[in-house]
Amino acid sequence: DQQVKQNSPSLSVQEGRISILNCDYTNSMFDYFLWYKKYPAEGPTFLISISSIKDKNEDGRFTVFLNKSAKHLSLHIVPSQPGDSAVYFCAASEWGSYIPTFGRGTSLIVHP
Amino acid sequence: GAGVSQSPSNKVTEKGKDVELRCDPISGHTALYWYRQSLGQGLEFLIYFQGNSAPDKSGLPSDRFSAERTGGSVSTLTIQRTQQEDSAVYLCASSPTGTGSYNEQFFGPGTRLTVL
Repeated sequence: DQQVKQNSPSLSVQEGRISILNCDYTNSMFDYFLWYKKYPAEGPTFLISISSIKDKNEDGRFTVFLNKSAKHLSLHIVPSQPGDSAVYFCAASEWGSYIPTFGRGTSLIVHP
Repeated sequence: GAGVSQSPSNKVTEKGKDVELRCDPISGHTALYWYRQSLGQGLEFLIYFQGNSAPDKSGLPSDRFSAERTGGSVSTLTIQRTQQEDSAVYLCASSPTGTGSYNEQFFGPGTRLTVL
């Protein structure tokens, strides 16, 4: 049973608009969340993270929102750029755990 | 500085053969992970090494899979008697520390394994 779910396998957005990638989780013990970006033929690279004590974390064009009651987090990219086209993975960890659980990823395509 | 490197980048093998995949982590990183990503799937945890501690092998799918880490640095993932369902991209990652702290993982480019 998937504990981290990314229900949208793909998302297409126009350049300059907002991209919103969603992630749901089922394990209430998760308290740290990360987003990774992956280009073809490369390994994932860390993008942004958030602790459960916060509901928002912002880094430049990237903002992650966490709704603990709904067990939902989202990644906002504003404005979207063609170079943002990649697969985005959501991951979650429990306190004291060293092994994050990954979702299946969402493929984002940003059209010029 | 140098990132995580993996070799080979691609490996094609015949069913029943053994394969070895190599990972060179970032120097000084004590934690090392192996994952695999099958087509359309997420990253599946395989094994975790932390310093000189016994590895966490809880993600290995069968006893055909094994891994070692020599001298706390280079790691080799071995798959014996490969099966077609072993075809996947095998990713290695390292991080500065593992246990009890939140650290981002630094991933290598992966090895694409194809079992014919």
